[in-house]
Amino acid sequence: EAGVTQSPTHLIKTRGQQATLRCSPISGHTSVYWYQQALGLGLQFLLWYDEGEERNRGNFPPRFSGRQFPNYSSELNVNALELEDSALYLCASSLGQGTTDTQYFGPGTRLTVL
Amino acid sequence: AQKVTQAQTEISVVEKEDVTLDCVYETRDTTYYLFWYKQPPSGELVFLIRRNSFDEQNEISGRYSWNFQKSTSSFNFTITASQVVDSAVYFCALETSGSRLTFGEGTQLTVNP
Repeated sequence: EAGVTQSPTHLIKTRGQQATLRCSPISGHTSVYWYQQALGLGLQFLLWYDEGEERNRGNFPPRFSGRQFPNYSSELNVNALELEDSALYLCASSLGQGTTDTQYFGPGTRLTVL
Repeated sequence: AQKVTQAQTEISVVEKEDVTLDCVYETRDTTYYLFWYKQPPSGELVFLIRRNSFDEQNEISGRYSWNFQKSTSSFNFTITASQVVDSAVYFCALETSGSRLTFGEGTQLTVNP
């Protein structure tokens, strides 16, 4: 069974640009989560989507946004990129709201902002 | 508010040594879940174990064992007879309501041959 997949593996952008990161969950999972792992800041929760709706949001500015598609895949958009947005962005999936399933992670997208 | 503390930033051992990674958590919720994940240099977080707050039974899986003690709010992880392939960053995490994981700072384990 395929795990969580993310694309691209690496992304290089300049300050002020927009970045789009993509995630495909494990088959049968309806929840997708996004986490940021920035140097010195640890792993921080960004967003949670389930059944196409945003269910929870971490302490990040509105320029971090996303969506979930009918096939449960998800996009994370980061607008007006800043240097401190450089980080590993990890996506996870689970069975969904109302369950207590474990979150399984993808390999991540490493975003570098120059 | 939820908090997870992994006081050991880095641990270095020689192969075949036993090593224990400490995790202390804080939450006011009575229902919660505790996790350990492993992050090798490739970056992907690999799930190792999950425990719910009502199950304090310790668990052993091969060379791995976990000690959950609610009285001290700890969920420690022991690797027996460590191997070079165990070298990674290990994260302890807590999930309460809202389905978000709160992670500790991670412990970098280096197993030397």
